[in-house]
This record gives sequence, C-alpha cells and structure tokens, in this order.
Amino acid sequence: RKEVEQDPGPFNVPEGATVAFNCTYSNSASQSFFWYRQDCRKEPKLLMSVYSSGNEDGRFTAQLNRASQYISLLIRDSKLSDSATYLCVVKPNTGNQFYFGTGTSLTVIP
Amino acid sequence: SAVISQKPSRDICQRGTSLTIQCQVDSQVTMMFWYRQQPGQSLTLIATANQGSEATYESGFVIDKFPISRPNLTFSTLTVSNMSPEDSSIYLCSVTPLDSYTEAFFGQGTRLTVV
Repeated sequence: RKEVEQDPGPFNVPEGATVAFNCTYSNSASQSFFWYRQDCRKEPKLLMSVYSSGNEDGRFTAQLNRASQYISLLIRDSKLSDSATYLCVVKPNTGNQFYFGTGTSLTVIP
Repeated sequence: SAVISQKPSRDICQRGTSLTIQCQVDSQVTMMFWYRQQPGQSLTLIATANQGSEATYESGFVIDKFPISRPNLTFSTLTVSNMSPEDSSIYLCSVTPLDSYTEAFFGQGTRLTVV
C-alpha cells in the first residue's frame, strides 16, 4: 500500500468555482502534513502546512482528520493561476523522509 | 527558508555515460535529499545525502548507480552512472533548513534525457 494516496484527477473547473482535493495516508504515526504546489516543469513549492485544528490561508483551507488518516485541501473562488498539480505530503515522526502523493492536477478554465 | 541552486537544469546524454548534478544551498541545512520524478509520477526518494559519510539509499537505489557526495552542510552532488534511457527523468535536490525541520525546499530540478 502506498504511503500517500491521492486522486490524480484531472480536475477541470471554471473560474470562480470551489474545488476540493483529498488525500489519505497509511502511517498512523505521521506527524507533519503539507500541501505542495508544482507548476508544469517546475519544482514543488510549499503551499501550506496542515494542522490538526485545520487552517486557512486566503482562498485555501486545509484540514486533517487523524482518525481517518485523511487530509483535504479546499480552494475557493478558483483563479486561472491556480492551475497546477497539488501534492499531498506526509512526514512521519521518525526518520527524515517526506512521502509524496502522486499529485492532483487542476486546470482552471476561463 | 533556503535558496537552492541546482545545475545543470537540463541535459541530453548518451547511454553509457555519467552525469553529475550539483546542489548548492545558501545556508546551512540539516538534511539534503535527492529525488527522482518520472513523467506523470510523483517524487521518489533516491537517497539522503549525509555530510562526511556515505549516503543512505532507499530500496531500489544503489551507490554504484547513484553515487552521492556531501562534503559540507551546503553542497551535494548526485551522479547518474552508466546511463540508460530508463534513467530519463527529473532529478530534484531537496533540503530541510536548520530552522525549519519540517519543511522541504527544492532545487529547480535537472531534466535528464538519455538517448
């Protein structure tokens, strides 16, 4: 079983739409959770960390459900510039490795 | 945060040759990693580069194929040896800074094509 699983999409949504991405992880001892954004032919960049209480950054809301080992990312009022691949990333509390999901592709259409 | 300079950004190489990729960070970091990202795939960890000692390789990756150096806290190299077309991929350097143990920063990546 993969450490991190995501729906690869693609998600094609109109501008202004709300879109949600989900991710599950297999290691219950995981401690740190992130969403990274990767533009085409670019390196991944941190979008936001995910905290147990849930957190929001502008149009982006991330939530964590430890009991279900589930992470989500909600994007409201989608912009064309939101088009990218969104990577779910998990770091266990032991070791130094980050585990990456396969990424969810989002295209926002005018 | 950390600013990472990775080079070359891309290369086209003949099979059987080797390519060394360099990763330079602007500040001291705790951990340096090398990842591979094949087309349409996510990132796969190749190894952790350890300062002054042998790298720690993940399952499926061996030192003879991917020798790694890390002579100090801000620099590392990854060599892809005896290349074949299956090695065509993007190779990414990643670091975790001293002041941010949980966040990973990435170099711009090296897009390698083996012909």
